Amino acid sequence: AQKITQTQPGMFVQEKEAVTLDCTYDTSDPSYGLFWYKQPSSGEMIFLIYQGSYDQQNATEGRYSLNFQKARKSANLVISASQLGDSAMYFCAMREGNTDKLIFGTGTRLQVFP
Amino acid sequence: EAQVTQNPRYLITVTGKKLTVTCSQNMNHEYMSWYRQDPGLGLRQIYYSMNVEVTDKGDVPEGYKVSRKEKRNFPLILESPSPNQTSLYFCASSLRGTLTGELFFGEGSRLTVL
Repeated sequence: AQKITQTQPGMFVQEKEAVTLDCTYDTSDPSYGLFWYKQPSSGEMIFLIYQGSYDQQNATEGRYSLNFQKARKSANLVISASQLGDSAMYFCAMREGNTDKLIFGTGTRLQVFP
Repeated sequence: EAQVTQNPRYLITVTGKKLTVTCSQNMNHEYMSWYRQDPGLGLRQIYYSMNVEVTDKGDVPEGYKVSRKEKRNFPLILESPSPNQTSLYFCASSLRGTLTGELFFGEGSRLTVL
């Protein structure tokens, strides 16, 4: 079974609007970490945000926030006030337990239009 | 400048011809890792290393070898490459593993095996 699921292969959003990218995960370990990475067309991987399973509050980094719903096992990325430069591939990832193995989802391609 | 450097960036080779993709970081990071990225599959972890002389298998280690003789270097070795190893490879490093998620990625190495 897939441990990280990103069900949206592609998303479109108008500039200045907010957008939510979905991510669900599956683990039986109470300790885990959830991450989002951005991959622009140039190919590099850019870390965006991290949420630990024991963190009480949702993580935020500038225009990025992680909507962490533990009971639903979801860790959606919310981008507020989208910019043209946000057009990229976005990957959700999970660290399971206290290992250093990182499992990535298949990604969502976000296109921001004027 | 803090960076993760991979070489070569692009390589076309033939089945069975041994090759090494080098990875070097200048941030004194303990943790280094290799991933491959394939369309529709996201990133999959090949091997990772928490410190010198300590390496562990990721999800897709078959056909690959790694070594960590020095802290800064983590080469990926394909002893006998096959066409199914055609992929985009990323090396990444972090100070303390995946505890906080901020991996620093190299620019990627695109490998084609004919």
